[in-house]
Amino acid sequence: EAGVTQSPTHLIKTRGQQVTLRCSPISGHTSVYWYQQALGLGLQFLLWYDEGEERNRGNFPPRFSGRQFPNYSSELNVNALELEDSALYLCASSQGLAGAEQYFGPGTRLTVT
Amino acid sequence: GENVEQHPSTLSVQEGDSAVIKCTYSDSASNYFPWYKQELGKRPQLIIDIRSNVGEKKDQRIAVTLNKTAKHFSLHITETQPEDSAVYFCAASIKSNTGKLIFGQGTTLQVKP
Repeated sequence: EAGVTQSPTHLIKTRGQQVTLRCSPISGHTSVYWYQQALGLGLQFLLWYDEGEERNRGNFPPRFSGRQFPNYSSELNVNALELEDSALYLCASSQGLAGAEQYFGPGTRLTVT
Repeated sequence: GENVEQHPSTLSVQEGDSAVIKCTYSDSASNYFPWYKQELGKRPQLIIDIRSNVGEKKDQRIAVTLNKTAKHFSLHITETQPEDSAVYFCAASIKSNTGKLIFGQGTTLQVKP
């Protein structure tokens, strides 16, 4: 069974630009979660999507947004990039509302210069 | 607010010794507590989890204990091996409600051969 996949692996962007990160969940999983892991820090919850709907978001500004597609894959969009947005962005998936176990993808390393 | 405190931040043990990592959570409604292992440059891997209706769970050399009254839970690794060296994260969640996991800051475990 394939795990959670994310693309791209690495990105380098300039301050003020916009970026889109992509995630494909484990087959059969309907929930997708996004987390930010800044260097040396723990994981901070960004967004939760289930069945195409945004279910919850963390304490991040509105320039962090996303969506979930009918095939349950998801995109995370970050507008007006700032230097402090440099981090590893991790996507996780689970079996939806009734499931709690979250399985992570390899992450996208975003560097903002 | 929701918070998970994790201690220690670093832990160094000799191969064969035991390692214990402790976490305290703030939200008494939390009912799901997973532990993740993250090796350098890799994704967080779910290694064990516990739900609030049990006090202890074991899986080979790994065990987790939960004290709901004190709102803390611990990871115990026995007979440590060099391949156990990694960053370990605890997390807490209100299962099926908010979707998000609240993570501790991580413990860097070094097992010396």
